[in-house]
Amino acid sequence: KNEVEQSPQNLTAQEGEFITINCSYSVGISALHWLQQHPGGGIVSLFMLSSGKKKHGRLIATINIQEKHSSLHITASHPRDSAVYICAVRIPNTGNQFYFGTGTSLTVIP
Amino acid sequence: NAGVTQTPKFQVLKTGQSMTLQCAQDMNHEYMSWYRQDPGMGLRLIHYSVGAGITDQGEVPNGYNVSRSTTEDFPLRLLSAAPSQTSVYFCASKGLSYTDTQYFGPGTRLTVL
Repeated sequence: KNEVEQSPQNLTAQEGEFITINCSYSVGISALHWLQQHPGGGIVSLFMLSSGKKKHGRLIATINIQEKHSSLHITASHPRDSAVYICAVRIPNTGNQFYFGTGTSLTVIP
Repeated sequence: NAGVTQTPKFQVLKTGQSMTLQCAQDMNHEYMSWYRQDPGMGLRLIHYSVGAGITDQGEVPNGYNVSRSTTEDFPLRLLSAAPSQTSVYFCASKGLSYTDTQYFGPGTRLTVL
């Protein structure tokens, strides 16, 4: 049983397209994180959300607590955005434990 | 700051061998954790620590030991390697607040033959 589901699993886009990656979770959470895993394997944190919306450059992350859903949007996509995007949730009363989705593999074609 | 460092980057073991994966951070983070990443599965928590002298099990702790003698270091020990432990291992650290960003090491790719 996976508390975190992501869609799509794989996504190919043309450079310049608007991209949306979705994350749904089945339990109450205290925070949701979006991570980016580069082709070389390194993982970096993009956003932490507990409500509303955050924007950083061409990346926008939103969360709807009532619907247990979050989206990551990339505007004006670029080949350097090609990576695996991972959603992770922190569940209350589990210490500081995170539960991760399986990731969305994004390829942006020039 | 070096951030979170892991050694080695790659390792091949034979079944039954033991080894230690090293992890260190220089950000004075209280929380450190070890994850494994397998194809088709999300990152899974092996062990974690909320401070020196304190460790606890995560989702998949069997076959692994940890210790936390200092704030900076959090080594992961494989007691008797098995092919099922072939994976990519990531160490991570963060502050204790739920709003704190989690920082990941570069990963160790382990193959057990």
